[in-house]
Amino acid sequence: DQQVKQNSPSLSVQEGRISILNCDYTNSMFDYFLWYKKYPAEGPTFLISISSIKDKNEDGRFTVFLNKSAKHLSLHIVPSQPGDSAVYFCAASNYGGSQGNLIFGKGTKLSVKP
Amino acid sequence: DVKVTQSSRYLVKRTGEKVFLECVQDMDHENMFWYRQDPGLGLRLIYFSYDVKMKEKGDIPEGYSVSREKKERFSLILESASTNQTSMYLCASRGLGGLPYNEQFFGPGTRLTVL
Repeated sequence: DQQVKQNSPSLSVQEGRISILNCDYTNSMFDYFLWYKKYPAEGPTFLISISSIKDKNEDGRFTVFLNKSAKHLSLHIVPSQPGDSAVYFCAASNYGGSQGNLIFGKGTKLSVKP
Repeated sequence: DVKVTQSSRYLVKRTGEKVFLECVQDMDHENMFWYRQDPGLGLRLIYFSYDVKMKEKGDIPEGYSVSREKKERFSLILESASTNQTSMYLCASRGLGGLPYNEQFFGPGTRLTVL
């Protein structure tokens, strides 16, 4: 049973507009969430994270929102750029359990069109 | 900067061959991980290691084994490669403590094709 779900396999956005990538989780023990970005033929790279004690974390054009009651998080990219085209993975962990292993979603492929 | 390197970017093997994928990290990280990435399936954990000579099964360990004789090196072994093991293999490492919690650093990946 999937504990971390990214229900949109793909998303297409116009350059300059907002990209919103969504992620849902089922395990209420998760207390830390991360977003990774992956280009083809490269390893994933860390993008932004959020602790369960916060509801928002911002880093430049990237903002992650966490709604604990809904077990939902989202990544906002504003403004979107063609270089943002990649697969985005949501990941969750329970820091105190399983040595902090990450549980990944299946990813959302973002295409930003010029 | 943390560097995780993998021995090969692309590898082609034949069914039944024994395959070794090597991963080395240079940040003295305690934890190391092997994943495979397949379209539509995301990243799936094969094995991980908390420390030297320690290993734990992940979600899909069947057909794989691992070795961690030195802290910086984590090897994934396919004892008898099969076509359904054609995939992108990703190694990651993670140190204890520090922020952000639980961030894993990934290598560039090995694209393995089994014919």
